[in-house]
Amino acid sequence: NAGVMQNPRHLVRRRGQEARLRCSPMKGHSHVYWYRQLPEEGLKFMVYLQKENIIDESGMPKERFSAEFPKEGPSILRIQQVVRGDSAAYFCASSPTGQGFSGANVLTFGAGSRLTVL
Amino acid sequence: KQEVTQIPAALSVPEGENLVLNCSFTDSAIYNLQWFRQDPGKGLTSLLLIQSSQREQTSGRLNASLDKSSGRSTLYIAASQPGDSATYLCAVSGGSGNTGKLIFGQGTTLQVKP
Repeated sequence: NAGVMQNPRHLVRRRGQEARLRCSPMKGHSHVYWYRQLPEEGLKFMVYLQKENIIDESGMPKERFSAEFPKEGPSILRIQQVVRGDSAAYFCASSPTGQGFSGANVLTFGAGSRLTVL
Repeated sequence: KQEVTQIPAALSVPEGENLVLNCSFTDSAIYNLQWFRQDPGKGLTSLLLIQSSQREQTSGRLNASLDKSSGRSTLYIAASQPGDSATYLCAVSGGSGNTGKLIFGQGTTLQVKP
């Protein structure tokens, strides 16, 4: 089991460009969570998705950010018209079921994608 | 709204010392609490998970306790080693209105000096 795979591991973009971050969950996992870690800060929840559904997007910025988890393929976090403040590490985690339904359920995290905006 | 606080923010100890990291949360209606380790520039490694019905979990030199009613957890590290140097994150799942996401504290950055 390869675990949660995120790519690219490092991404450099200029202001105004688009950034696409991909996350392939662990085999058998159908729940994906995206988190952002700004420099010197903790992880902040962004969005929780199941296949083809956004369940909780309460942590997503209102503009420029979107996420999807299609029936086939990885989950994508898309940032349009990036600004320097978007520079951060973006972590994806997956679980076999939603955390809320089982106290024993554990999120497995990927290694993260580090976005640098010049 | 669930909030998680970790104290201290940073800690420096000599090798061999036993130490305690603290985590507090505002909403006691949690499903579970996890302690993670994060090395600089790296991802997260899950250390211990305590379900809401449990009081503590142990793994090697690590022991985590949970007191739901008071909204507190501690991570005890015995006989610390330089290799323990990292940031330790506490995260809770659950709380009123929560969809299952983990809410993280800011972390405690630990340095163990040889």
